Amino acid sequence: GAGVSQSPSNKVTEKGKDVELRCDPISGHTALYWYRQRLGQGLEFLIYFQGNSAPDKSGLPSDRFSAERTGESVSTLTIQRTQQEDSAVYLCASSPWGRGGGGELFFGEGSRLTVL
Amino acid sequence: GENVEQHPSTLSVQEGDSAVIKCTYSDSASNYFPWYKQELGKGPQLIIDIRSNVGEKKDQRIAVTLNKTAKHFSLHITETQPEDSAVYFCAARDNTDKLIFGTGTRLQVFP
Repeated sequence: GAGVSQSPSNKVTEKGKDVELRCDPISGHTALYWYRQRLGQGLEFLIYFQGNSAPDKSGLPSDRFSAERTGESVSTLTIQRTQQEDSAVYLCASSPWGRGGGGELFFGEGSRLTVL
Repeated sequence: GENVEQHPSTLSVQEGDSAVIKCTYSDSASNYFPWYKQELGKGPQLIIDIRSNVGEKKDQRIAVTLNKTAKHFSLHITETQPEDSAVYFCAARDNTDKLIFGTGTRLQVFP
């Protein structure tokens, strides 16, 4: 079966441009997470979707960052007016566990964003 | 919110030796503590997890221990092999269901 799919795998953009990163979770997974991983750093939580509940946006670093998810399927992370400090690998993960259930997150391979 | 600290940041061991990575967490309501392994260019993968009603869990060469009172948990890898070389992350699930990760430990196993 297919795992979590992210696109593009690599994106190079100029400072000030907008970018969209896409995540296709594993079918049937209700939970979806976005994390940011700067070079050599840990995983920084950005946003969490769980079913039809309001997303937890508490990790978004600024109002230039936003994310959407259509039902329990595809999610897009949008970064407007990109800055050099946005350069990182953006990781998406999905999980079949409902709220409070705990359990494994399945990660994609990430989208590497480089802002020149 | 939850804060997870992880030590050491790098760890080098000889093949066959044991490796121990330690994490502390701040939120006493956290109840789920997984460990992930990340190989170069890949996304992290779960290797073992433990819930707050258990003190220790073992799976072949890896084990995790949890001390709820002290709010710390540890990963133990015995009989290390070169293929264990990777970055390891601990995490804690907070009371809002988010998984908060530690900063990672780069483990190198020398043959």
